[in-house]
Amino acid sequence: SQTIHQWPATLVQPVGSPLSLECTVEGTSNPNLYWYRQAAGRGLQLLFYSVGIGQISSEVPQNLSASRPQDRQFILSSKKLLLSDSGFYLCAWSSSGKETQYFGPGTRLLVL
Amino acid sequence: GNSVTQMEGPVTLSEEAFLTINCTYTATGYPSLFWYVQYPGEGLQLLLKATKADDKGSNKGFEATYRKETTSFHLEKGSVQVSDSAVYFCALYSGTYKYIFGTGTRLKVLA
Repeated sequence: SQTIHQWPATLVQPVGSPLSLECTVEGTSNPNLYWYRQAAGRGLQLLFYSVGIGQISSEVPQNLSASRPQDRQFILSSKKLLLSDSGFYLCAWSSSGKETQYFGPGTRLLVL
Repeated sequence: GNSVTQMEGPVTLSEEAFLTINCTYTATGYPSLFWYVQYPGEGLQLLLKATKADDKGSNKGFEATYRKETTSFHLEKGSVQVSDSAVYFCALYSGTYKYIFGTGTRLKVLA
């Protein structure tokens, strides 16, 4: 069966510090991968998606970037965090050609 | 563009009450529709889905019917339990890797 992992689970970072969040998927190959942000009490905002290694599409211009160095690894990064980057970050995957997305457990980021 | 509108929460019910969470959508073509559930501190879990008009998705006592004529996908459950307390998200997928989520509806079930 397929599983999706995210780490860390919780992160507290000062403003201006760098960020790296990691997401890995097991039990499938060539998945579509997604990063979402969920601000407190709000819906999900799609940040990036990837259909293959090295292929990244950005949905919202912002302080963040994403990379996919391996088939089942998706990384969300920032060089300098802003207060507004605080939120709950969710990684998701879907099989190529299939519609249903499956979500990881999320990373809660607090920027102080 | 495509959009999903959910009823605002929170919704507070007593155990064994009937639940309806409204969801309407705007989309071109024929999207697939989903309900996801998010328990506190966790990611989203797929609850049910429907891929074409008049399809009924069901899981764990929850149901939703894809109504194209009213562009709706309302979530229902006949008898809620305290363990159903969570945030429920309606979503649509119309292709090109993009999913549109509603803002979520928080459900609180009291014993």
